[in-house]
Amino acid sequence: KAGVTQTPRYLIKTRGQQVTLSCSPISGHRSVSWYQQTPGQGLQFLFEYFSETQRNKGNFPGRFSGRQFSNSRSEMNVSTLELGDSALYLCASSTRDRGPDEQFFGPGTRLTVL
Amino acid sequence: AQSVSQHNHHVILSEAASLELGCNYSYGGTVNLFWYVQYPGQHLQLLLKYFSGDPLVKGIKGFEAEFIKSKFSFNLRKPSVQWSDTAEYFCAVSNQGGKLIFGQGTELSVKP
Repeated sequence: KAGVTQTPRYLIKTRGQQVTLSCSPISGHRSVSWYQQTPGQGLQFLFEYFSETQRNKGNFPGRFSGRQFSNSRSEMNVSTLELGDSALYLCASSTRDRGPDEQFFGPGTRLTVL
Repeated sequence: AQSVSQHNHHVILSEAASLELGCNYSYGGTVNLFWYVQYPGQHLQLLLKYFSGDPLVKGIKGFEAEFIKSKFSFNLRKPSVQWSDTAEYFCAVSNQGGKLIFGQGTELSVKP
């Protein structure tokens, strides 16, 4: 099976702009979670989508949003970018059909905000 | 709120030395526990996981971890490290399947 893929891999934006990141989960996985990784804050949970519905949400401002499509692909959007949004954004997928399951991570999108 | 604490920020070992990385979490209910590894330039990979049953779990590449409920701990061990184990190691906890709470990570450097 192909792994989790994320596009684009690298992105440079300026403050005030908005950005959309894309994630394709492993085939058959219906849960997609997003994380932000920074040197200072480490790995922080953003949100989880399952069957097109947001199931869990982390403590991020409303500028961070996401959605999931019927084919389980997911996008996350960050509006009005700030310098502090520079980070590696990771997507992870899992089956989550019954109870807990491990999450498989993609390579991430490196976002730089200038 | 749930939190995960990894005691060591950076560990330096020589090849063949034994490894133990500490991980403690704060949550009183049922938890699922994970160790992930991030090799240089690669994405996060699962080393091992604990959901229930035998508290001593074995993972890939000779790693194992022991869940001690009374101590809220899930320490990672390996009897003999190799240079290829150089990586960053993350302990994570979940009580809801889709939300992982990670520790700050431990950077392991193995000298050949």
